[in-house]
Amino acid sequence: QVTLKESGPALVKPTQTLTLTCTFSGFSLSTSGMRVSWIRQPPGKALEWLARIDWDDDKFYSTSLKTRLTISKDTSKNQVVLTMTNMDPVDTATYYCARTGIAVAGFDYWGQGTLVTVSS
Amino acid sequence: SYVLTQPPSVSVAPGQTARITCGGNNIGSKSVHWYQQKPGQAPVLVVYDDSDRPSGIPERFSGSNSGNTATLTISRVEAGDEADYYCQVWDSSSDHPIGVFGGGTKLTVL
Repeated sequence: QVTLKESGPALVKPTQTLTLTCTFSGFSLSTSGMRVSWIRQPPGKALEWLARIDWDDDKFYSTSLKTRLTISKDTSKNQVVLTMTNMDPVDTATYYCARTGIAVAGFDYWGQGTLVTVSS
Repeated sequence: SYVLTQPPSVSVAPGQTARITCGGNNIGSKSVHWYQQKPGQAPVLVVYDDSDRPSGIPERFSGSNSGNTATLTISRVEAGDEADYYCQVWDSSSDHPIGVFGGGTKLTVL
């Protein structure tokens, strides 16, 4: 049974760095073809893809946010970590992590999401 | 950057067929994935690789993709299908994959 769960602060101040952790089970990110992405959704708005890390440690970032994002994995802990620097109120959103499996190129499993509010 | 365009809303009566489009430049050359999102919930994959269904997704959900338009078709629409629907592709035109979502379509069941 595949599960993913996001964790991190619910509130951050402007200019601070956000660190989110995705803890997953039911698969290994060391298995060839496995990938985990971060996706966010501002309240009432559309989904936005942020970053992806692959089983071979390849990393890919949103063009518009790549200077602020870092994605990493700890295979032994089954975790993927996203950091986003210089947070702004427009970054207020629900942040999801999601898996791309071996046979499915879409996001086949999602975490429940975690709401991050940026406010002083 | 690659852009996916969806109609903001689609309305359909119960039992009828809903069609939600996703437009993109030569989208027919890409694999399109569709997600259903109900209020307060995480998205759920309903169609992947243009027309395949994950296990547990009813056969009423189907997809097609050709030219500049991909379409999600929901047959025999039920009240429980009311949700936001998003299309998504991987754009590799810049030498590395970038995830792209459409703006979403709100399906209203009349």
